[in-house]
Amino acid sequence: DAGITQSPRHKVTETGTPVTLRCHQTENHRYMYWYRQDPGHGLRLIHYSYGVKDTDKGEVSDGYSVSRSKTEDFLLTLESATSSQTSVYFCAINTRNNYGYTFGSGTRLTVV
Amino acid sequence: AQSVTQLGSHVSVSEGALVLLRCNYSSSVPPYLFWYVQYPNQGLQLLLKYTTGATLVKGINGFEAEFKKSETSFHLTKPSAHMSDAAEYFCAVSEGAQKLVFGQGTRLTINP
Repeated sequence: DAGITQSPRHKVTETGTPVTLRCHQTENHRYMYWYRQDPGHGLRLIHYSYGVKDTDKGEVSDGYSVSRSKTEDFLLTLESATSSQTSVYFCAINTRNNYGYTFGSGTRLTVV
Repeated sequence: AQSVTQLGSHVSVSEGALVLLRCNYSSSVPPYLFWYVQYPNQGLQLLLKYTTGATLVKGINGFEAEFKKSETSFHLTKPSAHMSDAAEYFCAVSEGAQKLVFGQGTRLTINP
């Protein structure tokens, strides 16, 4: 989507390895989010950020950490990847004035 | 805490027929409500949203939804289904537009 990009788009990694996913926005929005999507569960919030160095946990934060050292980048790290973290990860920005979220194209992560 | 229930994980309709996707929410304060659509291998796209004001909300691609506070519902409808409507649809609720909570999704299939 315009203004928000995720990298990588696809990744296969081994159990126990650390993995970092990147979300980059060009629109200077304060709020950024990481969700995971799994069949039957919809999208579930992992972590979110409300400013540089300001982050908070979502409903499924165990095993994940985040960092936001500058407005445009929001990083999601799987500290030691497990097979249960195989999922599609979406980043989103909150265009607050419109009360609508814009989502990135997603990162498909497979942990083997 | 907010929650969303989408009734029916899979809905199938004939081309030209009415589309009705059901969504019920739980919220302790007046909610903001959203419908998103996801086409295969893509991110989520905002269909429509309700924040305040008129309870019948019109969105893109001929979809609309009605906020019914007494029924805590926000069902999505389209008078005449088109093949291109085949996708997964997500209802979401937010209190104050800070965090979105999603339903589990409904996959819509259109039969020729």
